[in-house]
Amino acid sequence: GQQLNQSPQSMFIQEGEDVSMNCTSSSIFNTWLWYKQDPGEGPVLLIALYKAGELTSNGRLTAQFGITRKDSFLNISASIPSDVGIYFCAGLGPGANSKLTFGKGITLSVRP
Amino acid sequence: NAGVTQTPKFRVLKTGQSMTLLCAQDMNHEYMYWYRQDPGMGLRLIHYSVGEGTTAKGEVPDGYNVSRLKKQNFLLGLESAAPSQTSVYFCASSRLAVYNEQFFGPGTRLTVL
Repeated sequence: GQQLNQSPQSMFIQEGEDVSMNCTSSSIFNTWLWYKQDPGEGPVLLIALYKAGELTSNGRLTAQFGITRKDSFLNISASIPSDVGIYFCAGLGPGANSKLTFGKGITLSVRP
Repeated sequence: NAGVTQTPKFRVLKTGQSMTLLCAQDMNHEYMYWYRQDPGMGLRLIHYSVGEGTTAKGEVPDGYNVSRLKKQNFLLGLESAAPSQTSVYFCASSRLAVYNEQFFGPGTRLTVL
């Protein structure tokens, strides 16, 4: 089946720093989604990408749909303490019966 | 709009007991999903529904049953709970499968002793 790779499992950064995460696969995807999960809460959709090469921003967050359609990147600029959480990528493959595939997530810690 | 709500938030069961988790959405979404989240495993799809009265198996359906009698509700049942079903359960809904932007509920933390 389709798998999404997110690594490392954890990232530690200093407040104010920028951070970049990527999500890779050996399969092609038609849609990439990035979610954030706060402790004790459900995942919240941050950014959705629908076209290869697409670059989309949401405040301090920027995400890109890779040209090969096999990867996506999320950048967070000028990190703040409330950026702490788990960041998941999710991809929707081609085909009418495709289901959303989730990566295992990256836990981000921000040191004040 | 409340979005996606789940009840209960927490539950402790003994092995062999049964229970039903309720998910409700007020966004008039066609598609609804049940996931479980375990440490290091990410989100795994249990069952899903593409519309009222229809359900289908996901990646890890064994030990669970679901029903979608009304469009806004999606129920997840455990007939005979096992310790391996200790997990956090999330319900999600989406308007269209084509884009599959899923909106998640707050989760139910279930412990089976």
